[in-house]
Amino acid sequence: DIQMTQSPSSLSASVGDRVTITCRSNQTINNYVNWYQQKPGKAPKLLLYAASSLQSGVPSRFSGSGSGTDFSLTINSLQPEDLATYYCQHSYTTPYTFGQGTKLEIK
Amino acid sequence: QLQLQESGPGLVKPSETLSLTCTVSGASITSSSYYWGWIRQPPGKGLEWIGNIYYTGETSYNPSLDSRVTISEDTSKNQFSLQLHSVTAADTAVYYCARQALAYYYYYMDVWGTGTTVTVSS
Repeated sequence: DIQMTQSPSSLSASVGDRVTITCRSNQTINNYVNWYQQKPGKAPKLLLYAASSLQSGVPSRFSGSGSGTDFSLTINSLQPEDLATYYCQHSYTTPYTFGQGTKLEIK
Repeated sequence: QLQLQESGPGLVKPSETLSLTCTVSGASITSSSYYWGWIRQPPGKGLEWIGNIYYTGETSYNPSLDSRVTISEDTSKNQFSLQLHSVTAADTAVYYCARQALAYYYYYMDVWGTGTTVTVSS
C-alpha cells in the first residue's frame, strides 16, 4: 500500500495567517492527491482533487500544489471557520489511503 | 440535491456481521461517472478507505479487510451496502458512505453521508 505522511500533526495559527500543511507519499503518485476538511463531529468535505483543482464551492483561499511524492495544502488568510482536521488522500491505486490528519487550531 | 444516508444497527456483537446500507437520493447509482464507497473512522483516529462498487457490480476492497468485507448494490432501491464479517472491537468506528467521482483519471469522494456510529461489543 502507498503510505501518506502529513506534517505537522497539529498546528495553531491566528486569523489572517497563511498556513501550509504538507503530505508526502512513499512512492511517486503523479498528482493523484485529494485534500479533505473535517470539522468536529462532521463528515469530511472535499477541498481539492488532482493536487490543485479546487472543488466547486470551496473558498479560493484554499489552494494545493505538488507532484510526485510531495504535496501541500495552503490556506491563505485563515478564517475562524477553518478550525478542522485536514486529510490528504491519494487516488493513484487502491487502496486509497489517507494521511493521518493535521489538526488546525485557531489562536 | 444529492444526499447519501447510512443506516443500520449501532451495536454489533463480536464475531457477528456488521451490515450497513447507504441510500442515495438525487442521483442514480447506475451512473457510469461514479463509484460508491465506504470509509470508516475509529474513535479519535483517522480515515480508512474500506472499498467501493461500480454500477456494473465491480468491487474493490482494502486488502487489510478484503477477506471480511462485501460491498453490494440494489439498483432497484438506489442503495448500496456494506457487510463486514467476524467483527471485533477494532471495527468500532463511524462508517461513512460516499460518492467517488471519476474525472479523467482522477478519483475523489465529493459527496459524503453524515456517518453512522457502529460499536462492537457484547
